[in-house]
Amino acid sequence: AQKVTQAQTEISVVEKEDVTLDCVYETRDTTYYLFWYKQPPSGELVFLIRRNSFDEQNEISGRYSWNFQKSTSSFNFTITASQVVDSAVYFCALVGNAGNMLTFGGGTRLMVKP
Amino acid sequence: DADVTQTPRNRITKTGKRIMLECSQTKGHDRMYWYRQDPGLGLRLIYYSFDVKDINKGEISDGYSVSRQAQAKFSLSLESAIPNQTALYFCATSDFSGARYNEQFFGPGTRLTVL
Repeated sequence: AQKVTQAQTEISVVEKEDVTLDCVYETRDTTYYLFWYKQPPSGELVFLIRRNSFDEQNEISGRYSWNFQKSTSSFNFTITASQVVDSAVYFCALVGNAGNMLTFGGGTRLMVKP
Repeated sequence: DADVTQTPRNRITKTGKRIMLECSQTKGHDRMYWYRQDPGLGLRLIYYSFDVKDINKGEISDGYSVSRQAQAKFSLSLESAIPNQTALYFCATSDFSGARYNEQFFGPGTRLTVL
């Protein structure tokens, strides 16, 4: 069985602070993919990043960066110099070998205050 | 125009009523999915379909059924709605490129309230 845990249910920061959203996963598959999605207040789900289990290289996209560590089964997401527009619920998700079931974490609500 | 559309966007119904949620996509993807979102639980998979002739149960399929009418259309039915089916429902699509699993693209969601 697969499991994704986002222990931080809610985080509040002040604009321009850096913030890291934690994601820990469990799977028995040797090949799997990890994702982050953003759900702004408007409700839609926006894809942010995909990472496969063979690629442990960290990735940076503008103010966003992701740290994948297989040894600790973690795929953490950092927003640098946060902005009010970053306020949203962020979901980490996992899909295994079969590629059928995307397992989501419970989400982390990020509130960025001006 | 949106690539994945859902109708209706909001629906209020009564216990015991049959209701259908519809999903259409123009992305040309073979794979389609239905999820429900409840506060604090993330999204949970209800049903998925890898092509028109393929339907599979997800994590929480009890009380739901689906129909894949065409590659581009995937509907979710609640045969007899109950209050604990009140939730936000998402349709999603994806394709599969060889050994690579690609991200899912989500529709805007349908907010369903069962009274």
